[in-house]
Amino acid sequence: DAGVIQSPRHEVTEMGQEVTLRCKPISGHNSLFWYRQTMMRGLELLIYFNNNVPIDDSGMPEDRFSAKMPNASFSTLKIQPSEPRDSAVYFCASSLVPRNTEAFFGQGTRLTVV
Amino acid sequence: AQTVTQSQPEMSVQEAETVTLSCTYDTSESDYYLFWYKQPPSRQMILVIRQEAYKQQNATENRFSVNFQKAAKSFSLKISDSQLGDAAMYFCAYRGRYNTDKLIFGTGTRLQVFP
Repeated sequence: DAGVIQSPRHEVTEMGQEVTLRCKPISGHNSLFWYRQTMMRGLELLIYFNNNVPIDDSGMPEDRFSAKMPNASFSTLKIQPSEPRDSAVYFCASSLVPRNTEAFFGQGTRLTVV
Repeated sequence: AQTVTQSQPEMSVQEAETVTLSCTYDTSESDYYLFWYKQPPSRQMILVIRQEAYKQQNATENRFSVNFQKAAKSFSLKISDSQLGDAAMYFCAYRGRYNTDKLIFGTGTRLQVFP
């Protein structure tokens, strides 16, 4: 299996622009997480899907952030408009519950907003 | 709400020696899962070891083992015979037993390994 695939690996954008991060979970997995990692705040859970349904989005910082999972093999995290404080590494992870409770992570997308 | 605390921002160890990383958590649940993840400079998150709360036996994976103290809500990671490749950020994580339970992480411990 190719593992969790995220794209792009790096993104540099100007403040105010829309940014879309993409994730393809491991085939057959039914849970998907989006995390944000910064030096100051560590790994923050933004949103969690189970069977394509958002279960907990309490970590989404504000209305500028939105996430979708239209099917079991694809998810997006959108930021509009982007701000410099959104600069971070964004991780997508998937798991198969209840068989495997651990999450398998993608390589992450490093986002820089200038 | 569940929380995970790692009180050691940085640790260091000499190659071939043993080091223990600490983790405590808070939960009202009786059944859950605990994990240690490693994040090397490549930033890839790698699962090191997992522990089911209902199992009294401590999990072991080669040079990595845990000391799980359920009553104390403590979950430490011991790395034996440390190697230069063990240098990384280590994150402790918690997940409840239900499908809808999220996976939450501590703030991490940076481990340095000296030759």
